[in-house]
Amino acid sequence: NAGVTQTPKFRVLKTGQSMTLLCAQDMNHEYMYWYRQDPGMGLRLIHYSVGEGTTAKGEVPDGYNVSRLKKQNFLLGLESAAPSQTSVYFCASTPPLGTGNNEQYFGPGTRLTVT
Amino acid sequence: AQRVTQPEKLLSVFKGAPVELKCNYSYSGSPELFWYVQYSRQRLQLLLRHISRESIKGFTADLNKGETSFHLKKPFAQEEDSAMYYCALLSYNFNKFYFGSGTKLNVKP
Repeated sequence: NAGVTQTPKFRVLKTGQSMTLLCAQDMNHEYMYWYRQDPGMGLRLIHYSVGEGTTAKGEVPDGYNVSRLKKQNFLLGLESAAPSQTSVYFCASTPPLGTGNNEQYFGPGTRLTVT
Repeated sequence: AQRVTQPEKLLSVFKGAPVELKCNYSYSGSPELFWYVQYSRQRLQLLLRHISRESIKGFTADLNKGETSFHLKKPFAQEEDSAMYYCALLSYNFNKFYFGSGTKLNVKP
């Protein structure tokens, strides 16, 4: 099992450009999450999904959109990148909560720089 | 509101010294708490969870509901413990996790 994978690993964007980050998991997990990690701020939840076709806003959703068309994939989009979106982005997945294993499995991260 | 607080951004100790990373939380209900660790430029991974009451790599953490704390402890720190540590709380109500801002542990030789 590859676990949780993220594409790309690194990206540099100019202000105003758009891009999509892909998260994929092969563990048949229902729940998937997108976080951003910034120095001194810890992990902040951007958007999450509790199942295929459903998404919900997290703590810092502005400037981002997501889609969960397939259970194994969770896409994070930046329509018009801004320097404030320079960050490391982590995807995570979990089985349905309350099933006995509430561990979050994290991807390796995507380091995004917006100039 | 749910919140996780890690008051120390950086904790430096010498090898062999005891270490305690603090975590306080606020949650209206029965909390489920975790510690995650992130070694340099790696992904986060689960270190331990309070419901397991286990010791991983010599680390333990006890949930103190009276003080709303879940401090991570190790009696003798090792250099390989140097990493970023995150405390996290699971909210069943909202199907999501709340993370603290993290504490960087630096174990000096």
